[in-house]
Amino acid sequence: GAVVSQHPSWVICKSGTSVKIECRSLDFQATTMFWYRQFPKQSLMLMATSNEGSKATYEQGVEKDKFLINHASLTLSTLTVTSAHPEDSSFYICSARRISGDSYEQYFGPGTRLTVT
Amino acid sequence: GQNIDQPTEMTATEGAIVQINCTYQTSGFNGLFWYQQHAGEAPTFLSYNVLDGLEEKGRFSSFLSRSKGYSYLLLKELQMKDSASYLCAVLDSNYQLIWGAGTKLIIKP
Repeated sequence: GAVVSQHPSWVICKSGTSVKIECRSLDFQATTMFWYRQFPKQSLMLMATSNEGSKATYEQGVEKDKFLINHASLTLSTLTVTSAHPEDSSFYICSARRISGDSYEQYFGPGTRLTVT
Repeated sequence: GQNIDQPTEMTATEGAIVQINCTYQTSGFNGLFWYQQHAGEAPTFLSYNVLDGLEEKGRFSSFLSRSKGYSYLLLKELQMKDSASYLCAVLDSNYQLIWGAGTKLIIKP
């Protein structure tokens, strides 16, 4: 299967600081990447869809100025949590879409656990 | 509206077979995914069905009937490590993934 990496795997930061999370598709090009957030024992929640070379599309209720997404290349998307607060503590997971003919497979990175103190 | 239904929880015995069903009603269809998610980890890809029929991949098989809006994931020779949540998701006409709430599978010795 395809491989998607995320870095860092976990991070602890102080309230008010910014944190950048990287998502890379290692063995395929991904024109579309997705960012999810998951709180304990809850379902995945899509935050935004990121297309290479264009602005991300944010889901309702997700602040685009707080969660900055950059999809600079076909293999890299970044999520920056700006001015983080304790309520932003969560498990952030990226996903990359691999298109092959009529097949639209989507693979997840291992996730980044963010703790804001 | 768009809707994906799957059982909340299932219990099975080690070494047995279990079938997890998923029914969907979505605006368009461009494929159905099954993912496995262990607690505290990201989902891992299991299968992607676009055409009707059964696809087998080792101990796991996935079936799709587009006319019935129905899929199932079949797990054979269950192992304790198969205890996880299994997520069904459909790619709609806008190529957006619509997620089910997941089925928590508990394997007992």
